[in-house]
Order: sequence, then C-alpha cells, then structure tokens
Amino acid sequence: SQQGEEDPQALSIQEGENATMNCSYKTSINNLQWYRQNSGRGLVHLILIRSNEREKHSGRLRVTLDTSKKSSSLLITASRAADTASYFCATARISNFGNEKLTFGTGTRLTIIP
Amino acid sequence: ETGVTQSPTHLIKTRGQQVTLRCSSQSGHNTVSWYQQALGQGPQFIFQYYREEENGRGNFPPRFSGLQFPNYSSELNVNALELDDSALYLCASSLQGRSGELFFGEGSRLTVL
Repeated sequence: SQQGEEDPQALSIQEGENATMNCSYKTSINNLQWYRQNSGRGLVHLILIRSNEREKHSGRLRVTLDTSKKSSSLLITASRAADTASYFCATARISNFGNEKLTFGTGTRLTIIP
Repeated sequence: ETGVTQSPTHLIKTRGQQVTLRCSSQSGHNTVSWYQQALGQGPQFIFQYYREEENGRGNFPPRFSGLQFPNYSSELNVNALELDDSALYLCASSLQGRSGELFFGEGSRLTVL
C-alpha cells in the first residue's frame, strides 16, 4: 500500500515559474525523501529531511516538513524544461526487522512548458 | 549514474512462466531492496536483503523470492507469472544502519502476455 499521496497528481507550468508539490502520509516517520523519475527510468534521490527538521534547501529545491500535519512540500524554483519528470515522496520508518523501510507515494507528474 | 546496474532492461514472458532479474549494487553497499512499479503508480516495496538474508518484505506472495550473494549482488525471482506482474522492477542499494537515500538502477521492464 502507498504510505504517501502527492498532490497534485499532475502539474504543468511555464518555464521559469516555481513548482510546488505536496505530500501527505499516515504514520510516524524517521525521515522523508523526495525522488525524481524521468519517464520509465530509475529514481534519483533529490533531498532528505529528518523528522526533527522543518525546512531544508538544496540548490533550487526547498523542502518543508510538518510532522503535526503529516505533510511535506517540495518547491522547485525557476523551473527548467529539464525538470520535466515525475516526483515522488518517500517516507522512512523503522520496520519490524529493525531496519529502515522506505515507502513511496503516488507521484506528481510535472511538465515544464518552454 | 548511481553505480547500480540491472539486467535485463526489457523482457517479455507469458503467463505461468518464471523470470529472474539481476542487480549489481553500488560498491560498498551491503543492502539491496526491490520495488515493483506498475504503470502510473509509485514503487511498491517487495523485499530487502542484507547479508544474504531477507530483511523485510512487503505485501507480495511467496512466488516472489530473492537472493543476495556474498558480493552483495541480488536476484529477484518470480514464479507462475500473472498478467498483473507486468511492471518496472527496480533494484536499489544502500548501506545498512545508515539512514539515508537509496541508489536505484534503471530497472527491468517486464511484460507478461
């Protein structure tokens, strides 16, 4: 089952605009991660935010985490055509085996219009 | 490039057949996780291997099985293939005990006819 759900499911914006994607999840977590996937290919890690952090930046990416609302957002500033991809949030929590298990959401399909 | 390689990249099977997918993890990584991604969906956790032992399993039937070898490479085996097994199968490597990112391969696209 999916732990997280991204919103919106699809987003189209003009190049240069900012893109915001949201993720909601259901259970307590160790950390939350965002991944990017170009069409039909492997996932690439973008950024990780720990449960005791509220905001994190990496280049044009800004991630926020609100554990009280069980939600996160990913902001991509000054979007480029190359940002066109699917974006997934993934929540990490300790499994019954004592290791960290990563559960992915349903994804947001982002299209940047040149 | 993540350093994780998967083979084959594409394959077609028929219902009832068996398939083996292979994964070489990134150098130094001792943990391999397998995910199934149906078209338009997020990746679903199948299982994880650490030190050649299954170390966690998602909601998949026993006909999905795996192996991890001493060099940390891994195999995913699926028996008695069903049409719904058609998906992208992703392998990801990581370092056990370290909270952090997974490094994914490009996946194996399985089509079951």
